[in-house]
Amino acid sequence: EVQLVESGGGLVQPGGSLRLSCAASGFSISSYTMSWVRQAPGKGLEWVSAFTTGGNTYYADSVKGRFTISRDNSKNTLYLQMNSLRADDTAVYYCAKPPVVYASYFDCWGQGTLVPVSS
Amino acid sequence: EIVMTQSPATLSVSPGERATLSCRASQSVSSTLAWYQQKPGQAPRLLIYGASTRATGIPARFSGSGAGTEFTLTISSLQSEDFAVYYCQQYNKWPQTFGQGTKVEIK
Repeated sequence: EVQLVESGGGLVQPGGSLRLSCAASGFSISSYTMSWVRQAPGKGLEWVSAFTTGGNTYYADSVKGRFTISRDNSKNTLYLQMNSLRADDTAVYYCAKPPVVYASYFDCWGQGTLVPVSS
Repeated sequence: EIVMTQSPATLSVSPGERATLSCRASQSVSSTLAWYQQKPGQAPRLLIYGASTRATGIPARFSGSGAGTEFTLTISSLQSEDFAVYYCQQYNKWPQTFGQGTKVEIK
């Protein structure tokens, strides 16, 4: 069964750092373009970052230079290193997988991990 | 970046009626558009990709149309389980972008 499980969320102060993890099972993350998508409380979805099969990385303008996406194929885990966090980064962070290789829409989502940024 | 604009923000519909949701892109995204449904406390669910292809397991009452900059999601006869928020997403260019959502509520 294909499954994504996020972890690493929690309360962090403005300016702080946090690393989110997304453990995948039932498939190999190296075969898919994997993404992080976030949702601020009561707001809509915002795509954050992607790691392609070829090793390219992409970021939303709102996080460029502060967030870094990476993956560990041996652990089948996707990461999101978040630095210089701001209050407007407060959100539930989902990792998401496309249904087929080379697709960029998502049919499998994790349960999400909440990151509140507050002093 | 490509800005996706959804309308209306809220749609009030009676069960059994038809719902038509719109999504407009600030520049052409060809047919690289997806629609998602999200219920409170849940992750989004893929409904449509390629502007008009239903995802696996999605009922036939959901249909998508459009290309370029104008897209529509139609729910032919609303069921109780269809009251939710719907998002469009373009995946034609990086960064991918979502619309702000349309909430379909019971009239």
